[in-house]
Amino acid sequence: SQELEQSPQSLIVQEGKNLTINCTSSKTLYGLYWYKQKYGEGLIFLMMLQKGGEEKSHEKITAKLDEKKQQSSLHITASQPSHAGIYLCGAPTSYDKVIFGPGTSLSVIP
Amino acid sequence: SAVISQKPSRDICQRGTSLTIQCQVDSQVTMMFWYRQQPGQSLTLIATANQGSEATYESGFVIDKFPISRPNLTFSTLTVSNMSPEDSSIYLCSVAAARYGYTFGSGTRLTVV
Repeated sequence: SQELEQSPQSLIVQEGKNLTINCTSSKTLYGLYWYKQKYGEGLIFLMMLQKGGEEKSHEKITAKLDEKKQQSSLHITASQPSHAGIYLCGAPTSYDKVIFGPGTSLSVIP
Repeated sequence: SAVISQKPSRDICQRGTSLTIQCQVDSQVTMMFWYRQQPGQSLTLIATANQGSEATYESGFVIDKFPISRPNLTFSTLTVSNMSPEDSSIYLCSVAAARYGYTFGSGTRLTVV
């Protein structure tokens, strides 16, 4: 079965610093979702990547999909305390379901 | 994208009792998904609920423990039965949302004492 790994597991950065979170799949990626979860709450959709080489940006967050490497990266520029939370990558499987990575916990120190 | 209202947002329950979680979607959807997120862990799919048919459960989850109802295309419930402390988790419902991936409810934080 397909599995997603995320690195790093947790991250503490100073406000204003850039950071990158990686998501690696054990199988071919047919797309990739990025979500943010505030502690103990539901998931907030960030971005959906559907094609190899695709790159999307929203405000200060950029995500890329490298199909050949079966990997996606999420980059935050000039981090702010509002970026703090758990970032989850999710991949659609061939059975119309989504599996999720273990999450990356981000703390931003003012 | 679809908006999901999930309730209750949290509850503290005695072991051996049952809790029913409700999700209401503001549009008709074919499939609804129920997830469990144990403390410090990622999301695990419990089952897929289709209107008019039995829910499809993932490995490790059974209908007796997690009965699901799907009476129409906008509503579903998940019951956590005969609860034990190991059932303490966040439970989330989700629907496919075309351009926006999958939309999630705000979650139900369950604590079993």
